[in-house]
Amino acid sequence: EDQVTQSPEALRLQEGESSSLNCSYTVSGLRGLFWYRQDPGKGPEFLFTLYSAGEEKEKERLKATLTKKESFLHITAPKPEDSATYLCAVGDTGTASKLTFGTGTRLQVTL
Amino acid sequence: ETGVTQTPRHLVMGMTNKKSLKCEQHLGHNAMYWYKQSAKKPLELMFVYSLEERVENNSVPSRFSPECPNSSHLFLHLHTLQPEDSALYLCASSQAVEQPQHFGDGTRLSIL
Repeated sequence: EDQVTQSPEALRLQEGESSSLNCSYTVSGLRGLFWYRQDPGKGPEFLFTLYSAGEEKEKERLKATLTKKESFLHITAPKPEDSATYLCAVGDTGTASKLTFGTGTRLQVTL
Repeated sequence: ETGVTQTPRHLVMGMTNKKSLKCEQHLGHNAMYWYKQSAKKPLELMFVYSLEERVENNSVPSRFSPECPNSSHLFLHLHTLQPEDSALYLCASSQAVEQPQHFGDGTRLSIL
C-alpha cells in the first residue's frame, strides 16, 4: 500500500528565513510525485510534478527535489504570502487514476 | 481564478435530506474526481470518471452516488448522510488520469 508522510506538521518562519519541507513516500512504482499549495477555504493549487530521482523544479521562491525515498520543498527567503498548507501526493504506476496524499505541512511566515 | 467550479460552496443538511453537489470544469479535461477532505486526514479519493474508466473507492458508502453526464460536469448525490460525513468535498479534473489534477474550491458540508 502506498504511503506518504509529511514533516513537520507545522512550521513557523520569519520573513527571509529559508527552510525545507519533507515528503517521505513508499510506492511500488513511482508514476509521479506532486506538490500542491492549499490556502484556507480554497482547494489545492498545483505546483510541481517530479517523475524521477534527481529531478528538480523551481517556481519563484520554491524549489522541489526528488530522491528514491523522499522529496523536499525548499523555500528560499519566504514572504508572508507563502503562508499556506503544502501537500505532497504520489501516483503509483499500478493505479493510473489514484493519488495518495500526505496530511500536509502548515507553513506560517511572519514579518 | 479557477477552471473548476463547485456549487454550492457551503451546505447544511439534515440526515434525512437529499441534496446534490455540482462540479463543472472549463479546462477541456477528460478526467474528473471527487475527494473528501477531513481535518487532520489526507485527501481521500472517492470516485474517478475518465474516458477510459469509472473507478470507485470501495470504502465509500452507498449514500454517496456520483453522476458524470459528460466530460465537463460531475455531480455527487447525497442521501441519508451521517454526522461523520461532514467535511470539505473537493472536485478535481485532469487532462488524463496520469496528469496533474486541478482542484475546485470545494463544498463545505455540515450534517446536523
